[in-house]
Amino acid sequence: GAGVSQSPRYKVAKRGQDVALRCDPISGHVSLFWYQQALGQGPEFLTYFQNEAQLDKSGLPSDRFFAERPEGSVSTLKIQRTQQEDSAVYLCASSLEGFMGSQPQHFGDGTRLSIL
Amino acid sequence: EDQVTQSPEALRLQEGESSSLNCSYTVSGLRGLFWYRQDPGKGPEFLFTLYSAGEEKEKERLKATLTKKESFLHITAPKPEDSATYLCAAQLKGGATNKLIFGTGTLLAVQP
Repeated sequence: GAGVSQSPRYKVAKRGQDVALRCDPISGHVSLFWYQQALGQGPEFLTYFQNEAQLDKSGLPSDRFFAERPEGSVSTLKIQRTQQEDSAVYLCASSLEGFMGSQPQHFGDGTRLSIL
Repeated sequence: EDQVTQSPEALRLQEGESSSLNCSYTVSGLRGLFWYRQDPGKGPEFLFTLYSAGEEKEKERLKATLTKKESFLHITAPKPEDSATYLCAAQLKGGATNKLIFGTGTLLAVQP
């Protein structure tokens, strides 16, 4: 596809369950980002990949959050033992260049996660 | 601490009534200032990147400008289809990432 694709679009889970969110970036894009967006707020950075290398995970809120991009394309954000405060929209973005570039990040439509 | 602040939080305009949105930034070093548009239930859509003070960029009814401390998004003769949340974000110099630091956005409603 032409844009960043995220799945599922909506996910409802019970507190304590594990969830996995998928991101298909634009083909050929080197950089991939995950952001968390609470209602009425701007996106907040979670983690960054350049190809398969995770160069920055400073925004991950706890060790329950884990992200991977094993082949440098598709990425998965996993949240273990979910808590109600994990409810948010999780956005994935990709850009053409590595971390020294300033090309715009292109966003998917996100996964809306609700923890009951 | 690196910070981006947007004002106003919400703005209601009549169709054709021009206005400006403000984005103030306090960062250690700016690589680029980005503007995005976000519609309900959608991801942010890229509008502009500004790199240095004095720079301006235009697209249809939108014009973005940059100073050393803030950026403005000017909307000329808006139409109802311009209604959306407008986000600005700063990209920092240095470090091992080019993450964006976002403001909380301005929710714009344009009434016919």
